[in-house]
Parts: sequence; structure tokens; C-alpha cells
Amino acid sequence: DADVTQTPRNRITKTGKRIMLECSQTKGHDRMYWYRQDPGLGLRLIYYSFDVKDINKGEISDGYSVSRQAQAKFSLSLESAIPNQTALYFCATSDGTYSQPQHFGDGTRLSIL
Amino acid sequence: GENVEQHPSTLSVQEGDSAVIKCTYSDSASNYFPWYKQELGKRPQLIIDIRSNVGEKKDQRIAVTLNKTAKHFSLHITETQPEDSAVYFCAAHGRGKLTFGQGTILTVHP
Repeated sequence: DADVTQTPRNRITKTGKRIMLECSQTKGHDRMYWYRQDPGLGLRLIYYSFDVKDINKGEISDGYSVSRQAQAKFSLSLESAIPNQTALYFCATSDGTYSQPQHFGDGTRLSIL
Repeated sequence: GENVEQHPSTLSVQEGDSAVIKCTYSDSASNYFPWYKQELGKRPQLIIDIRSNVGEKKDQRIAVTLNKTAKHFSLHITETQPEDSAVYFCAAHGRGKLTFGQGTILTVHP
């Protein structure tokens, strides 16, 4: 869905650098998520937020932090990047009522040298 | 937390055959089960979903079944076509978040 926009789409950086991945949405959804995708491991949840004042850790939050700047914006930071954080990162959103499908952005391909 | 197992990891079929992908989950609180299709280099896209109060759902060539007692659910694709080739992910939603299976690479040979 073009309504979930991730920037940048690709990023190559060096070990130790601070990196921010940004996600914005025009779907009006309350809930936003960050996932990491590695080959053979599916999608793993890093952090999620049910509203602007709510931040929750997922299964692999170590080494990452997030900020929910507004209902429509949710950013993911790597404070000091390391090579094993090289992966494809997806942002997703969902409506807050009952269990609803998640809608994904196009992803950010991050390479850490 | 929730654990979702997906099998097989790869599946190769001839065009026109059926394909079945199976998933099991561990948390009885999970109540929503979506399936996503991801083409190479693209985002995951929802293809079908089922809620815990329903045993089966069909949408054209795609169907999903759910057995709550056994904690397993399956995706069935009939009359497969080359454009069905992709990675398919199952997921279970419980306690506010989705847990994904590891994915199945489906290849449909013309």
C-alpha cells in the first residue's frame, strides 16, 4: 500500500554509525510496528506502538530504539550499528479495533559494513 | 510467547496442481490468522485471513482452514499458476501482536 511510506529504501553504512529509519502512514491507523526480515527466519517483531504514548518491545528489541512522533510517524533507530543488523526492515500499520490485518511499507534494505 | 511453525519450507508444484501449506501455533489466546504473499523484492501482502470463530474461508482459488482444538491452520491454493510463485507466510495474532511463521517458498512450474 502506498499509504505506508518508508525512508530510505536502501542504506549502506559502517559499523558504529547511528541510523534512523522512518515510517509514515496516511491510513489513519493507531497501531504501528517495526519488523526485521532475514532469509529463512520470516518476519520478527522489533517494537510496536498502539498509540502515541504507547511503546512496546517485541521479540528482538536489543540494539534498537523507536520514537512515535505522531499518530502517523514511527521511526526506528540503531544507535551503534553492527554488521548482524544487516537485514530488510518493514514498517506496518493496523487499525486498533479487534484483530485487523497489518499493512506493510515497501521496506528498507539496510547493509552495515 | 506465541510460537508459529510453518511447513514445508519449500514447495514445488506443476501448474494446475494444488498446493497446501500448514502452520501450527502454541498460544490458545490467538484469535486471528492472516496469510501473506511476498513476491521477490516486494512487501508482504495479505491474501486471506480467518478468525477463530470460523473453521474455513474461501476466496476464489485460495482457502484457509482452522482447527482451534489442534491449534493448526492451513492454506490451500487450487489450480496453481506461475504467478502464484512467491514466499507465503502464515501468522497468528494474539495479545496485540502478530507472530509469523518462517515462510514457504512456492514455485509453480509451467
